[in-house]
Amino acid sequence: EVQLLESGGDLIQAGGSLRLSCAASGFTFTAYAMSWVRQAPGKGLEWVSTISDSGRTIYYADSVRGRFTISRDDFKSAVFLQMNSLRVDDTAVYYCAKDRGGHCSGANCHLDSDYWGQGTLVTVSS
Amino acid sequence: DIQMTQSPSTLSASVGDRVTITCRASQSISTWLAWYQLRPGKAPKLLIYTASTLESGVPSRFSGSGSGTEFTLTISSLQPDDFATYYCQQYHTYWTFGQGTKVEIK
Repeated sequence: EVQLLESGGDLIQAGGSLRLSCAASGFTFTAYAMSWVRQAPGKGLEWVSTISDSGRTIYYADSVRGRFTISRDDFKSAVFLQMNSLRVDDTAVYYCAKDRGGHCSGANCHLDSDYWGQGTLVTVSS
Repeated sequence: DIQMTQSPSTLSASVGDRVTITCRASQSISTWLAWYQLRPGKAPKLLIYTASTLESGVPSRFSGSGSGTEFTLTISSLQPDDFATYYCQQYHTYWTFGQGTKVEIK
């Protein structure tokens, strides 16, 4: 059974940093791309970042590029989101998702997310 | 950037009703479209991918159709567990979600 367990969410002041973790199990982690998606209070889903199976191809939403860094540790079957220079509008539930495939090239990754975690809440205060 | 526009934003329906949600892309995305269901306190759930392929384990009352820029999600007979918020997502060029459709009890 695929399981994704996010952790690391917290209440933090604007300008601060936070590192989210996602522990994965139940599938061959090294074969799949992984993504982070967030949902701000009362808002819809927003894609944040995706990392390919090899870790060599990484994508970011414009809203987080230059501030957030996605990474993966294949030995631990985990994916991480390092969030720096946090802003009040980064407040959201952050979901980790397993993507259907692994390889990405250019802008056309063509991967949907077939399993999701339950999310971890990040609250950024002013 | 590809924009996704869902309609309606809210839909009131009763158990047993047939429900249709529409999603429009700002440019052609072929069939690179997924539908997700969100219920409070639960992990998002993939329902449909490549516009019309039913994800394993998803009830057959859910169906998807469309290609290019116009897509629909249909629930043939609404069940109590289906009252939730639904999102379309394009994954043709990067990833973009629609703004969501809340299906509420009439």
